[in-house]
Amino acid sequence: SQQGEEDPQALSIQEGENATMNCSYKTSINNLQWYRQNSGRGLVHLILIRSNEREKHSGRLRVTLDTSKKSSSLLITASRAADTASYFCATDGGANSKLTFGKGITLSVRP
Amino acid sequence: EPEVTQTPSHQVTQMGQEVILRCVPISNHLYFYWYRQILGQKVEFLVSFYNNEISEKSEIFDDQFSVERPDGSNFTLKIRSTKLEDSAMYFCASSLMGGNTIYFGEGSWLTVV
Repeated sequence: SQQGEEDPQALSIQEGENATMNCSYKTSINNLQWYRQNSGRGLVHLILIRSNEREKHSGRLRVTLDTSKKSSSLLITASRAADTASYFCATDGGANSKLTFGKGITLSVRP
Repeated sequence: EPEVTQTPSHQVTQMGQEVILRCVPISNHLYFYWYRQILGQKVEFLVSFYNNEISEKSEIFDDQFSVERPDGSNFTLKIRSTKLEDSAMYFCASSLMGGNTIYFGEGSWLTVV
């Protein structure tokens, strides 16, 4: 079954530094999506990358996808204390297909 | 910006009681979902719904669970007889088309005592 698995499980950085989070999965995908979750809150959609795309940007976010390695990375540049949250990758196998989430990465950005 | 809204934000219920969690998906979206997240664990898929019927469901979504779209705006999840292990955050989500961005609500915390 498809499964997003992120690493590292926890990341602590200083404000202003870049944060790189990785996600691996096991089977073919249609899309890969990254979400952010503040403690006890909902899932906020960050970015979607399709299987035929290699890189996407959105503001301070950069996502790459390597389907040959079945992996994706999320880069947050110039991090801020407000970026402190859990980050999840989620994959789907096609139209109307469920999302399969990883366990998430806890990012702490120290002011 | 349009958003998925969920009520209640938190509900405490006694084991064996029925619970209905309500959701208003984004208005022009066609696909609807329920996911749950047990404290400290992964977000897990429960069910997807399209064209007034369930399109996919997980093993978690057993006979105790049901979904309904009673009108043009609401999407509900019912748990008939709650168990302690049903305690979790339940997320409603919607998407315009299959294979598109899926937007989640803020969640409903369910605590079964």
